[in-house]
Amino acid sequence: KAGVTQTPRYLIKTRGQQVTLSCSPISGHRSVSWYQQTPGQGLQFLFEYFSETQRNKGNFPGRFSGRQFSNSRSEMNVSTLELGDSALYLCASSVGGEQFFGPGTRLTVL
Amino acid sequence: AQRVTQPEKLLSVFKGAPVELKCNYSYSGSPELFWYVQYSRQRLQLLLRHISRESIKGFTADLNKGETSFHLKKPFAQEEDSAMYYCALSGSGSNYQLIWGAGTKLIIKP
Repeated sequence: KAGVTQTPRYLIKTRGQQVTLSCSPISGHRSVSWYQQTPGQGLQFLFEYFSETQRNKGNFPGRFSGRQFSNSRSEMNVSTLELGDSALYLCASSVGGEQFFGPGTRLTVL
Repeated sequence: AQRVTQPEKLLSVFKGAPVELKCNYSYSGSPELFWYVQYSRQRLQLLLRHISRESIKGFTADLNKGETSFHLKKPFAQEEDSAMYYCALSGSGSNYQLIWGAGTKLIIKP
């Protein structure tokens, strides 16, 4: 099976802009989770979607949002970007408790 | 509160020496524990989970419910073991949200 894919792999934005990241899970996986990874804070959970419904949410401001489509593909959106949003954003699809991670999208906010 | 604690941000040992990466958890119930690993320039991936009771790449981890620990051990470290290691916990039931530790960076010195 093909692994989890994320697009784009790299993004450079300026403060105040918004960004949309995309994640395609492994075929058959209905759960998709999003994480923010930074050197200082490590891996932080953003949210999880299952069958198009947000099932879990981390402690991030409302500028961070997501959605999942009927084919399980997921997008996350960050509005009004701040410098502190610069990070690697990871997507993971899961089945049976094990998570399979994508390569991440490296977002740089200038 | 549900929590996973990895007390060491950085662990440096010599090749051939034993390695132990500590993980303690707080959870009311019967959790499932995981170790994930992220090698340089590679995706975050599952190393092992306590229910499988396997040894992967020479690593083992035993769930100690009395001490609420799930330490990762390897008797003889190899240079290729250098990586970031994350301990994670999943609660019981159908909610598979993982609770993550902060991670330990393992450096194996030649």
